[in-house]
Amino acid sequence: AQSVAQPEDQVNVAEGNPLTVKCTYSVSGNPYLFWYVQYPNRGLQFLLKYITGDNLVKGSYGFEAEFNKSQTSFHLKKPSALVSDSALYFCAIGNYGQNFVFGPGTRLSVLP
Amino acid sequence: KAGVTQTPRYLIKTRGQQVTLSCSPISGHRSVSWYQQTPGQGLQFLFEYFSETQRNKGNFPGRFSGRQFSNSRSEMNVSTLELGDSALYLCASSLARTGGTQAEAFFGQGTRLTVV
Repeated sequence: AQSVAQPEDQVNVAEGNPLTVKCTYSVSGNPYLFWYVQYPNRGLQFLLKYITGDNLVKGSYGFEAEFNKSQTSFHLKKPSALVSDSALYFCAIGNYGQNFVFGPGTRLSVLP
Repeated sequence: KAGVTQTPRYLIKTRGQQVTLSCSPISGHRSVSWYQQTPGQGLQFLFEYFSETQRNKGNFPGRFSGRQFSNSRSEMNVSTLELGDSALYLCASSLARTGGTQAEAFFGQGTRLTVV
């Protein structure tokens, strides 16, 4: 069975500092991995995805993620955090176009 | 290009009633999925439709049902509402999987259902 873990419920970072939101996964076969962000009272917004190819994936709003097959991880990163990045972040596995399995989410707070 | 539209945005229902939620996907998207989001359970997959056919279903009781119309619009229905059905219900649309890749999904703003 597919599963996604996000080991941190909450991540706090100062504005201007680099941020990392962690994600590990379990899946048989090649994974399709995604990051989504949710702002209060909103739906989820797509940030980036890894399907195949380069292990470093660049996405929207300056975010990037590194796929590490040996560690089964797909951590989200940004070199310099903004207060406006404060939101709920979800890592997900794609299930061949039919649905996503989401992690529990990590709340990111960027402090001014 | 218009995004995914969900109506209504907010609903308050009484236990035992039924409710129908609507979702209009992005033009050209034939896959529509539904998710339930609660603080305790997180995001849970309900079902996915493609070209009016349910392709996949999550682990929810039969009180939860859905359908998709020929124009790709989708509805989900919850009958005999329970307090625990209070949640944000999210609809997502995407292009069908082609060429061995997985397309990203685009989510609506959700319908906040409160059961009292």
